[in-house]
Amino acid sequence: EADIYQTPRYLVIGTGKKITLECSQTMGHDKMYWYQQDPGMELHLIHYSYGVNSTEKGDLSSESTVSRIRTEHFPLTLESARPSHTSQYLCASSAIPGQGLNNEQFFGPGTRLTVL
Amino acid sequence: AQSVTQLGSHVSVSEGALVLLRCNYSSSVPPYLFWYVQYPNQGLQLLLKYTTGATLVKGINGFEAEFKKSETSFHLTKPSAHMSDAAEYFCAVSEGYGGSQGNLIFGKGTKLSVKP
Repeated sequence: EADIYQTPRYLVIGTGKKITLECSQTMGHDKMYWYQQDPGMELHLIHYSYGVNSTEKGDLSSESTVSRIRTEHFPLTLESARPSHTSQYLCASSAIPGQGLNNEQFFGPGTRLTVL
Repeated sequence: AQSVTQLGSHVSVSEGALVLLRCNYSSSVPPYLFWYVQYPNQGLQLLLKYTTGATLVKGINGFEAEFKKSETSFHLTKPSAHMSDAAEYFCAVSEGYGGSQGNLIFGKGTKLSVKP
């Protein structure tokens, strides 16, 4: 079944730790996205990628980094977590816009990160 | 720059009553418009979208929205609310072309409560 997966769903970690949030999709999509969502707030785009070896920064500045070595995998890494990184992180994917395909974004269930 | 304004961070209706969630957008180019729903501790699910063509768009779960260019609005409606409609609703606008084509700008969201 085509889907988009995120692990872990919940993560509580201490300040200074390195963390990687995983995102994988079996949708066959080229474009992938990471959003940050604070409680009761809108989503802000922090990273996106058009395909393998492509990464772009989004509208919201973030200390996180991303990589795209495989089409279906788009992990997000924080080298040194801080309490200000506490948030929900949502991964999404879509077809490349303009290719005549439905280009709506499909979202994973999210990772809720708490940094103590 | 594009932006989305959702009027009312919290809307409460009785079961069986009309649901109206307001969304106004700002865009210098023809917009693509989306409504997403988010249930607690889950990702976003697409309700409906407008790209081109018919301005009245029907979506899942009985929701529909009408694109009004003159009013720069894309309000979401449902004739009769159900308890299961209680969730957070996000309006989003996407650039139709250009370097950030397909990237979404989200509104702050409207939390819908449904009273029995």
